[in-house]
Amino acid sequence: GAVVSQHPSWVICKSGTSVKIECRSLDFQATTMFWYRQFPKQSLMLMATSNEGSKATYEQGVEKDKFLINHASLTLSTLTVTSAHPEDSSFYICSARLAGAQSEQFFGPGTRLTVL
Amino acid sequence: AQSVSQHNHHVILSEAASLELGCNYSYGGTVNLFWYVQYPGQHLQLLLKYFSGDPLVKGIKGFEAEFIKSKFSFNLRKPSVQWSDTAEYFCAVKEGNNNDMRFGAGTRLTVKP
Repeated sequence: GAVVSQHPSWVICKSGTSVKIECRSLDFQATTMFWYRQFPKQSLMLMATSNEGSKATYEQGVEKDKFLINHASLTLSTLTVTSAHPEDSSFYICSARLAGAQSEQFFGPGTRLTVL
Repeated sequence: AQSVSQHNHHVILSEAASLELGCNYSYGGTVNLFWYVQYPGQHLQLLLKYFSGDPLVKGIKGFEAEFIKSKFSFNLRKPSVQWSDTAEYFCAVKEGNNNDMRFGAGTRLTVKP
């Protein structure tokens, strides 16, 4: 299957700083990328959907000014957690999909963010 | 809003036991259904999916799932589990041509050797 990578795999930062997480589709072009958040022992919660070259669509309750998403190319999407606070500590997972709503979604390995 | 329910939070089985994990969804229209597995420390992997056609879907590693439209269910089954099946299992639903996929809360499966 297709491969999606995330970088970094884990990051620890101080409260108030910003953290950027990259998501790349390594062997295919992803017209749509998704960002999920997973709390310990809980399910994945969709944060936002982004299509290459357009603004991301955020789920209700997700602050778009706090979680900045840039889908600059067909193989790269970034999530920037701005002014991070301890409650932003979580596991962030991206997913990428080929064109077409019935295409399979491929998931990245996730990024563990810890805000001190 | 669409929701996905997984009835079992944690299932513990002995090797060779049969497995059935429940999944129900609330959306009444056309849906695409998925089961994903997340092994400890690894990323989500697709076990199987249903888009249309035969409601009994066979996936990888001996897993299968049955789509019962009248019950809004998509239960995952395996006749004989192995220790290596220990993992977290997630049911996911995508409405028709909508972009996003909604996940259930997950079921942790522990298989005792």
